Amino acid sequence: EVQLVESGGGLVKPGGSLRLSCAASGFNFSDYNMNWVRQAPGKGLEWVSYISSGSHFIYYADSLKGRFTISRDNARNSLFLQMNSLRAEDTAVYYCAREAAVGVPHTDYWGQGTLVTVSS
Amino acid sequence: EIVLTQSPGTLSLSPGERATLSCRAGQSLSRSYLAWYQHKPGQAPRLLIYSAISRATGIPDRFSGSGSGTDFTLTISRLEPDDVAVYYCQQYGSSPRYTFGQGTKLEI
Repeated sequence: EVQLVESGGGLVKPGGSLRLSCAASGFNFSDYNMNWVRQAPGKGLEWVSYISSGSHFIYYADSLKGRFTISRDNARNSLFLQMNSLRAEDTAVYYCAREAAVGVPHTDYWGQGTLVTVSS
Repeated sequence: EIVLTQSPGTLSLSPGERATLSCRAGQSLSRSYLAWYQHKPGQAPRLLIYSAISRATGIPDRFSGSGSGTDFTLTISRLEPDDVAVYYCQQYGSSPRYTFGQGTKLEI
């Protein structure tokens, strides 16, 4: 069974940093491209970042302006999101999402998310 | 960036009825790039439909997708109480990689 479990969320002050993790199991993690998607309170889903299976290709939403860094450790079946210079508008539930292995890109499995709250 | 607009915002129906959810793209897109998700509070979003018409693994045939160009539809037949959720359409693009509609809340 495919499982994605996010962790690392919490309350952080504006300007602070946080590192999110996503532990993957039930599939060969190193074969799959991965994404982070977030949902602010009362809002819809917003794609945040993408990393290819071998970390060769990395993309970010323009709105992040270099504050976030995605990475992965295939040996530990883990995906990460380093978030710096956090702002109130970064408050959201952050989901990791696996990208389907074949066919056109789409996200086929998601975790349950971890809540990040940026507030003083 | 292609904007996806979903309608209606909220849909209230009775068990056994059919739900028709719309997703309109700001410009024509390949049907291959359109997916639908079901999202219940506190749970992981669940892939229902990909490539506009293909059901994901384990999704019952009550869920079906259609459309092309700028207009796409998710149809849920024979509604059940467990179908209560927010439904999102998603499109794959070059930059940003994915965009989502604002969601349709289904009440039963």
